[in-house]
Amino acid sequence: KNEVEQSPQNLTAQEGEFITINCSYSVGISALHWLQQHPGGGIVSLFMLSSGKKKHGRLIATINIQEKHSSLHITASHPRDSAVYICAVQRTRQFYFGTGTSLTVIP
Amino acid sequence: DTAVSQTPKYLVTQMGNDKSIKCEQNLGHDTMYWYKQDSKKFLKIMFSYNNKELIINETVPNRFSPKSPDKAHLNLHINSLELGDSAVYFCASSQASGLAQETQYFGPGTRLLVL
Repeated sequence: KNEVEQSPQNLTAQEGEFITINCSYSVGISALHWLQQHPGGGIVSLFMLSSGKKKHGRLIATINIQEKHSSLHITASHPRDSAVYICAVQRTRQFYFGTGTSLTVIP
Repeated sequence: DTAVSQTPKYLVTQMGNDKSIKCEQNLGHDTMYWYKQDSKKFLKIMFSYNNKELIINETVPNRFSPKSPDKAHLNLHINSLELGDSAVYFCASSQASGLAQETQYFGPGTRLLVL
């Protein structure tokens, strides 16, 4: 069983919809990362968080340490948000990755 | 002014060959990483160096050897390439902060195909 589970695996949304991607993990962590991989393959780090909530533009990431759960929200989704979103947890010097959520936003 | 650069972007080679992938970052970060992304798009960390010192060394065949000549460079040398080594290899860097590394900056990836 993977230490990091993401859901859903695939997600199709209409432009403008509010999107939520979930990440659950089973190990104690020092930080959680959300990454975005574009269709062309490039990877961008969206957030690193260890508690609470962070917001960047239309993206919001939350984490609940007690429940070992994080969510990534996208408000007013746009076709350019189409990408694979990867959750990764860091346990001091160890990293564990989820299998990714493939998001397609239709105009 | 690319922050994290990798060369080459594409690498096609025969089984049994030895090849190297280079990575350089100009962000002044003290930690660098190598990741492998397989055909199912699953990302897995291979190595991490902090100030030229190896700090993460996951279960990776001995044929893979990282080399860090200085903290701005982390090269990956692969001996006796096998078909299963075909993947996309990403380099990344970050600044250490307490127990957690800060935001990672990724290179564009090197697509390796072993024939």
